[in-house]
Amino acid sequence: GQNIDQPTEMTATEGAIVQINCTYQTSGFNGLFWYQQHAGEAPTFLSYNVLDGLEEKGRFSSFLSRSKGYSYLLLKELQMKDSASYLCAVMDSNYQLIWGAGTKLIIKP
Amino acid sequence: GAVVSQHPSRVICKSGTSVKIECRSLDFQATTMFWYRQFPKQSLMLMATSNEGSKATYEQGVEKDKFLINHASLTLSTLTVTSAHPEDSSFYICSARDETGRDTEAFFGQGTRLTVV
Repeated sequence: GQNIDQPTEMTATEGAIVQINCTYQTSGFNGLFWYQQHAGEAPTFLSYNVLDGLEEKGRFSSFLSRSKGYSYLLLKELQMKDSASYLCAVMDSNYQLIWGAGTKLIIKP
Repeated sequence: GAVVSQHPSRVICKSGTSVKIECRSLDFQATTMFWYRQFPKQSLMLMATSNEGSKATYEQGVEKDKFLINHASLTLSTLTVTSAHPEDSSFYICSARDETGRDTEAFFGQGTRLTVV
């Protein structure tokens, strides 16, 4: 079966750095996405990785290792507005998105 | 970036009535759109894949006669919840991919919060 695993909840301090991990087992691989979702809102796109390595975009970076079926989202200089759920999703061989359950990130002052 | 517009953002309806939700790709053509449902504190669950000009592909457990999907053009897909009941109350989100572009990210509509009373 297809499976995406990520922690249910994480807590971090304002100004700090947090890493959210995602492991996956899917039928084929056509890229991995990270989305941010604030409560009651639709997800917004953060990053897309299809090749191994680190993609940096401002305060957010995403890493992928296809051989290990592993990705992480790194958030630096955390701000209170970063409190949200972070969803990991993998596009399988049929170009369908397989979603993780999301990681609720709580930022404390 | 590409924009997907979903309407309405909120709707309250009486039990037994039908509700139509529209999903439009504003600046790109989408041969495929996806409809998701999200219950509180849960992940997005794919309901169906909407294909322009053909029948939608429904996920297991999703009633095709209850959730009618029409993808009549390359920029519009609609989801109609027929004979809605309180258990259909949920957050419905559509997404579309700009398949002509280099990137394959999926763009999401704003979502529709449906409350059936």
